[in-house]
Parts: sequence; structure tokens; C-alpha cells
Amino acid sequence: GAGVSQTPSNKVTEKGKYVELRCDPISGHTALYWYRQSLGQGPEFLIYFQGTGAADDSGLPNDRFFAVRPEGSVSTLKIQRTERGDSAVYLCASSLSAGGPGNTIYFGEGSWLTVV
Amino acid sequence: GQQVMQIPQYQHVQEGEDFTTYCNSSTTLSNIQWYKQRPGGHPVFLIQLVKSGEVKKQKRLTFQFGEAKKNSSLHITATQTTDVGTYFCAGHHGGATNKLIFGTGTLLAVQP
Repeated sequence: GAGVSQTPSNKVTEKGKYVELRCDPISGHTALYWYRQSLGQGPEFLIYFQGTGAADDSGLPNDRFFAVRPEGSVSTLKIQRTERGDSAVYLCASSLSAGGPGNTIYFGEGSWLTVV
Repeated sequence: GQQVMQIPQYQHVQEGEDFTTYCNSSTTLSNIQWYKQRPGGHPVFLIQLVKSGEVKKQKRLTFQFGEAKKNSSLHITATQTTDVGTYFCAGHHGGATNKLIFGTGTLLAVQP
């Protein structure tokens, strides 16, 4: 597609429920990133994929968070047993390749998650 | 862990005044990128600096990368109301990972 697409754009869920957030990167981009941004804060790195594999998942806060990218394109961020502190904007981004740092990263509009 | 701090957190200027935000990393960066995020929007890439001491200009915006590659600055000359938003620096800390660490951001408000 023309840009990074994220769905849903907004999600309200009850504490303890399971949530999936989807990201469709720019066509041809092999690198895909998930960030989380709380109000008034900078984007916080969660995980980065190169192709199908998670190249760096050091930012995932705990084992309730998991992300997959089975075919090297669309990615899904999965959050189990949601907590109110998980409320944030979840940003997905992609870049053309991961041949070292420096590739321009393009962000999607984000998925606004509210846990009540 | 790796930290990237920005100052000031917030700046309010009159239209036409200049603005500068400073970015400081706890570790040496392989490169620095700058992003702008409008209220309610997503970060949009502005520029990337790679070399020690590098200076780049985009119209009224001037970007610098420090000699030690641990700090950077963004200067806007003669601000306009369209410059409103939060400016983030983001850096790669070297190695093979493409993990990009964002700064804390500076929110710029411009009064007409």
C-alpha cells in the first residue's frame, strides 16, 4: 500500500481481555517495528522484525506482549490479560531494509488502545 | 540502559522568533534522526545525520550532530504557526540492530 496501515485505529477493551493489533507495512519493506507511545512521551521501542524473525524484542515489557510476522509482511501485536497501564498508542513503522542503521522509518497512524 | 534526553520539554515562542531543541544521548550514536509529530498525528521523518560534526539545512531548519556523536540540535529560524508540534530526536546506538531509541521530545507552541 501507499503507507503503513494499522487496524483498529481505536480499541477499548476491558481489563483482563486479549487484544490483537494489526500492522500492514509499506509494500516491499522488509523491516517492521512496533513502538508504544503514552501521552506526552516519546515512542518507546517494543520489537523489530527483519523479515519473519524478531531481530530485537528487548523492548517488550513482559510476557503478556507478543508479536508475530509469519509471512514477512503483515504483523500482529498480541497483548494478553490487558492492564490499565497498557493504555497507549501503539505505533507500527516500516523501513526498506535493515542493512544497518540509517534507513528512513515510516510510521502508521497508530492504534489507540484504552483498557478500562 | 540507553537513554536519549531532550531539552526543553516545552517551548512557547512568538511567531517569527527562533527555536532550538537539544538532544543528548547517554551513549555514542551511529546516527541521529529527527522526527516531527503534529498533535494527534504520528511521527514524520525529517532528516538523518551520520557523520561527526555534520550540519544539514532544510529551509528554515538547521540540524547538527555533535563531534562526539552523543548530542544533536535542531534550530528553527523565524518560526511559523505551521511549525507547531513535538520534535523528537532518535538514534541508533551501533551494532547490527536497527533498534531506534527516541528522545523525550520537545513540544513547540507558536503564538501568531
